[in-house]
Amino acid sequence: DGGITQSPKYLFRKEGQNVTLSCEQNLNHDAMYWYRQDPGQGLRLIYYSQIVNDFQKGDIAEGYSVSREKKESFPLTVTSAQKNPTAFYLCASKWVRGDTEAFFGQGTRLTVV
Amino acid sequence: AQSVTQLDSQVPVFEEAPVELRCNYSSSVSVYLFWYVQYPNQGLQLLLKYLSGSTLVKGINGFEAEFNKSQTSFHLRKPSVHISDTAEYFCAVSEAGGGNKLTFGTGTQLKVEL
Repeated sequence: DGGITQSPKYLFRKEGQNVTLSCEQNLNHDAMYWYRQDPGQGLRLIYYSQIVNDFQKGDIAEGYSVSREKKESFPLTVTSAQKNPTAFYLCASKWVRGDTEAFFGQGTRLTVV
Repeated sequence: AQSVTQLDSQVPVFEEAPVELRCNYSSSVSVYLFWYVQYPNQGLQLLLKYLSGSTLVKGINGFEAEFNKSQTSFHLRKPSVHISDTAEYFCAVSEAGGGNKLTFGTGTQLKVEL
C-alpha cells in the first residue's frame, strides 16, 4: 500500500540531546514537508523540500535540521538548540503542483524529559 | 504572503444538528483551498478541496464547502452531524502558480454531543 510512514510514534529525549525523526514515502511524490503541531497553534511549517538535495526553511526552522538524500526519505533532526521541542510532529508529501493535496503520516509525539 | 484564519477554536453541537466551521484566507493571488480532518493522535486526512470552477464543493462524510472570492472565505458545512464527526478540522491554502507552501489555520475542534 502506498503511503507515508513516520517512526517512531512516541519518542522521549533528554534535554541537550539531538534526536532524529524518520519519514518515508512510497507515493513517488517530489515534495515533502515537516510540520510541528502544538495545541491551539495549528500546524506550523518547519522545513520543506521540492527535490532531492534541496530544501527550504519554513516559518519555525530554528533548532531543526533536515536532509533529502533520497526522494523517498526526509528525516528531521531536532537539535539541542530547539528550546521547546516537546510537540507532535507531522510529515507530509505531495506532488509539486499547487493544486494537489498533501498526504500525511501518523505523526511522532516527541517529549523532552 | 498567504494566511488562513479559523475564528472558532471550538464548536460544540448536538448530534443531528447542522454545523458550519468558518475559514477566511488572505492572498494576493489566486489560491487553492483545502479542508482536512484530524482524529486524536493521527495525521490529517483530506475532506475536500477547491481548485476552480463550481464554488460549492462536496467532500467525504457528507461535508461540503463554499468558496466565496469576494469575502475570501471557504466555510465548511454539514447538514446533520454524527458523534463520529468529533475531530479537529483544519483549513489550508496554497497559492496557484507559486511554490508549494501549504499554509494551515489554527484548527477548529468540533465536539458533537448527544
